[in-house]
Amino acid sequence: GAGVSQSPRYKVAKRGQDVALRCDPISGHVSLFWYQQALGQGPEFLTYFQNEAQLDKSGLPSDRFFAERPEGSVSTLKIQRTQQEDSAVYLCASSLESGAWGYTFGSGTRLTVV
Amino acid sequence: AQSVAQPEDQVNVAEGNPLTVKCTYSVSGNPYLFWYVQYPNRGLQFLLKYITGDNLVKGSYGFEAEFNKSQTSFHLKKPSALVSDSALYFCAVRDPRQGGKLIFGQGTELSVKP
Repeated sequence: GAGVSQSPRYKVAKRGQDVALRCDPISGHVSLFWYQQALGQGPEFLTYFQNEAQLDKSGLPSDRFFAERPEGSVSTLKIQRTQQEDSAVYLCASSLESGAWGYTFGSGTRLTVV
Repeated sequence: AQSVAQPEDQVNVAEGNPLTVKCTYSVSGNPYLFWYVQYPNRGLQFLLKYITGDNLVKGSYGFEAEFNKSQTSFHLKKPSALVSDSALYFCAVRDPRQGGKLIFGQGTELSVKP
C-alpha cells in the first residue's frame, strides 16, 4: 500500500481483556517497529523486527505484551490482561532497511482501557 | 543512557516571524538525528534528518535544522512561520550501533498565531 496502515484506529477494552493491534507496513519494507505513545509524551520504543525476526524487544513493558510478524509482512501487537496504564496510542513504523533513511509511521491505534 | 531533551513544552510565534524549536541529545558516538511533526489524530510525519555531512539540513515545508556536535544540539528552525505549522514537533535520535530504534524527546507544541 501507499502507507503504513494500522487497525483498528480506536479500541476500548475493559480491564483484563486481551487486545490485538494490527500493522500493515509498506510493501517491501524490511524493518518494522512498534512504539507506545502515552498522552502528552513522546513515542517510546517497544520492539523491532527485521523481516520475521524480532531483533529487539527490550522496550516491551511486561510479559503481557507480545508482538509477532510471522511472514515478514503484517505484524500484530498483542496485549494480554489489559490494565489502565496500557492506555496509549500504539504506533507502527516501517522502513526499507535498518532505518538509515527514515521511517514511515502509521496513524496509530488509540487504546483506552476502562 | 541515550536521551533526547526538548526543553520547551510550548513555543508561541507570530505568523511571519522566525521560529526555533530546541533539541539536545545525549548519545555517544555519531548519532543519526531526526525531526518529526504530528498533527492531531495523525501519525508522525518525517521533516528532516542529519546523518553526516553539512551541519545545516534542509527538510520539508521550509524547515531546516542545524547540527552542533560540540553543543549536542539539533534545533529546528524556519525563517517565516505559518499558522499551518501549528502542531506537535518531536526530535529523535538513533544510535546506529544499537539497531534501528529511535529515542524521542517529549515533544514541543508549536502555536503560530495570525
